[in-house]
Amino acid sequence: EDQVTQSPEALRLQEGESSSLNCSYTVSGLRGLFWYRQDPGKGPEFLFTLYSAGEEKEKERLKATLTKKESFLHITAPKPEDSATYLCAVQSISMDSNYQLIWGAGTKLIIKP
Amino acid sequence: GAVVSQHPSRVICKSGTSVKIECRSLDFQATTMFWYRQFPKQSLMLMATSNEGSKATYEQGVEKDKFLINHASLTLSTLTVTSAHPEDSSFYICSARDLGQSNYGYTFGSGTRLTVV
Repeated sequence: EDQVTQSPEALRLQEGESSSLNCSYTVSGLRGLFWYRQDPGKGPEFLFTLYSAGEEKEKERLKATLTKKESFLHITAPKPEDSATYLCAVQSISMDSNYQLIWGAGTKLIIKP
Repeated sequence: GAVVSQHPSRVICKSGTSVKIECRSLDFQATTMFWYRQFPKQSLMLMATSNEGSKATYEQGVEKDKFLINHASLTLSTLTVTSAHPEDSSFYICSARDLGQSNYGYTFGSGTRLTVV
C-alpha cells in the first residue's frame, strides 16, 4: 500500500539553528514528490517538486533532496517567518490519470526568535 | 503563477441548512479539481475529484448526497454541503491542476472554515 510518513511531528528551533525534516515514502513507483508549506487557516503553498533520486532543489533557506526511499527538507538559518506546517505528498505511478496525491501528516515547525 | 480563488473564507451556518463553497481558477483552465477536508492538526483528506463536465469521483466514506460537487466549467467548481450538521464543521480546501505548471499544477485555494451551529 502506498504510504507517506513525515517526521518529526513537531520541531522547535531557535532562530538561526539549521535542521532537516524527513518524508519517508513507500510507493509502487514514484511519479513525483511534492513539498508544501501551510500556514494556519490557509491552503498549502507549493514549494518544490522532485521527480527522481538524487534530485535537489533550493529556494531561499530551503533545500529539498530526494532518495529512493525518502526526501529531506533542509532549512538553513531559519527565521521566525519560516514557522509553518510543512507537508509532503507523493504521486504514485499506480494511481489513475487524475493525479491524486498521497499526503503525509505534516511537520509543524516553530522558529523562536 | 497559477491562482486558485476560494470563497467564502469563513462561514457559519445553522444546523440543517446548506452551504456552497466556490473554487475558481483565475488564470488557467482547470480540467480537474480536488476537494479536501482538513481536521485540526491533521493532514489533508481527499474527499472527491471532479472533472469538468462529468460526475465527481468520491473517496470511500464520503457521502456524495451530502457533499455535492459541480464542475460545470473549466474555471469553476463548487462544493455544497447539504443539510449541514455540527460534525461537518471543518476546513475545506480545493485544489486545481494547471497543466502548464512544472509541478503538475497542484495549486490550492486559501480554504474555507465552516462552522455549523
